[in-house]
Amino acid sequence: QQQVKQSPQSLIVQKGGISIINCAYENTAFDYFPWYQQFPGKGPALLIAIRPDVSEKKEGRFTISFNKSAKQFSLHIMDSQPGDSATYFCAARANTGNQFYFGTGTSLTVIP
Amino acid sequence: NAGVTQTPKFQVLKTGQSMTLQCAQDMNHNSMYWYRQDPGMGLRLIYYSASEGTTDKGEVPNGYNVSRLNKREFSLRLESAAPSQTSVYFCASSLTSGTSSEQYFGPGTRLTVT
Repeated sequence: QQQVKQSPQSLIVQKGGISIINCAYENTAFDYFPWYQQFPGKGPALLIAIRPDVSEKKEGRFTISFNKSAKQFSLHIMDSQPGDSATYFCAARANTGNQFYFGTGTSLTVIP
Repeated sequence: NAGVTQTPKFQVLKTGQSMTLQCAQDMNHNSMYWYRQDPGMGLRLIYYSASEGTTDKGEVPNGYNVSRLNKREFSLRLESAAPSQTSVYFCASSLTSGTSSEQYFGPGTRLTVT
């Protein structure tokens, strides 16, 4: 059973456009929601993370929107660039332990 | 500061062979993890170690064993490899205390079992 559901599986965006990736969860014990970026042949790297006490967090062109009541969170990439082409994973960690649960990933392609 | 290192980078095994994947971190992190990554499946947790001397099963532990050798090192062993264990394996570490939970990943080991 997938603890964190991620969509879409793949996304193609024009340069300068907005990329939006969505994730949903059911476990109300989750208290930390990171997003990871992975380039081919590399390990995932933390991009941005949020805790449920805030509804939005912005770092440069990357923004997480968090809706606690709907148990959903999303990553917005503004002014998408070809260099943003990568696979993005959302994840969640419960406050009761150290396990991280990952979404299935979104392959983003930004067309010049 | 090398972060998280993994060896080997690539490995080909025959069914039934055994091997150990090595992982080390130099960030003084307390928690360490082993994941496998398969197409369309995301990252699935195999085992993790919240602190030196403790290990716990994750989502997909069958066919694997782990050893937290010390605070720096966390190894993953396949006793009798099967083709279903063909995957990319990632080790990660984190300093899980208070509000800090950031995970750092190694470069991965690409394992093929024939």
